[in-house]
Amino acid sequence: DTAVSQTPKYLVTQMGNDKSIKCEQNLGHDTMYWYKQDSKKFLKIMFSYNNKELIINETVPNRFSPKSPDKAHLNLHINSLELGDSAVYFCASRMGNFNSPLHFGNGTRLTVT
Amino acid sequence: EDKVVQSPLSLVVHEGDTVTLNCSYEVTNFRSLLWYKQEKKAPTFLFMLTSSGIEKKSGRLSSILDKKELFSILNITATQTGDSAVYLCASGGNTPLVFGKGTRLSVIA
Repeated sequence: DTAVSQTPKYLVTQMGNDKSIKCEQNLGHDTMYWYKQDSKKFLKIMFSYNNKELIINETVPNRFSPKSPDKAHLNLHINSLELGDSAVYFCASRMGNFNSPLHFGNGTRLTVT
Repeated sequence: EDKVVQSPLSLVVHEGDTVTLNCSYEVTNFRSLLWYKQEKKAPTFLFMLTSSGIEKKSGRLSSILDKKELFSILNITATQTGDSAVYLCASGGNTPLVFGKGTRLSVIA
């Protein structure tokens, strides 16, 4: 199946821990994104990345860092997790010409206790 | 800063009703406006609009863009319970898409 896939689907961890979420797309897209969705379903951009440029939303704490081993993967590392990091994190991808739709993964529900 | 505003935030209708969801945007170097439907998991793509006045249609859903007034509407006719979802509007220029807060539509039998 062609898709954007994320792992894990659920992640429950304690404050202060470090965790990673993996994302892979086999759609041949050249730009990938991480979005955070809060409990009210508001999707907020965190990062966008293609093989040339990383764009970071300036409101994202530097505890969050994207890592891309190749253009089909964009992983999200989070250090020193806080309660407020609890949310659903969506990976997405598109072709980089800005006139194509975003394709989303199924999300990772992160719960920090 | 780019901004997308949706209204209403929530809506409850009966099966068979027609609904109109609104989306206004302020985006630098506008390229496109997109509509998504989100049920339990990932947002699924509905429409992408780039030109004013051209209606996009898929079954009972349709959407149109007004680039002069900076808004779009999503119409759903003859609503069904399966249309219950959060409908997200997003827009962007040369930057990642910015999303509105969504309209939560509930269709009751």
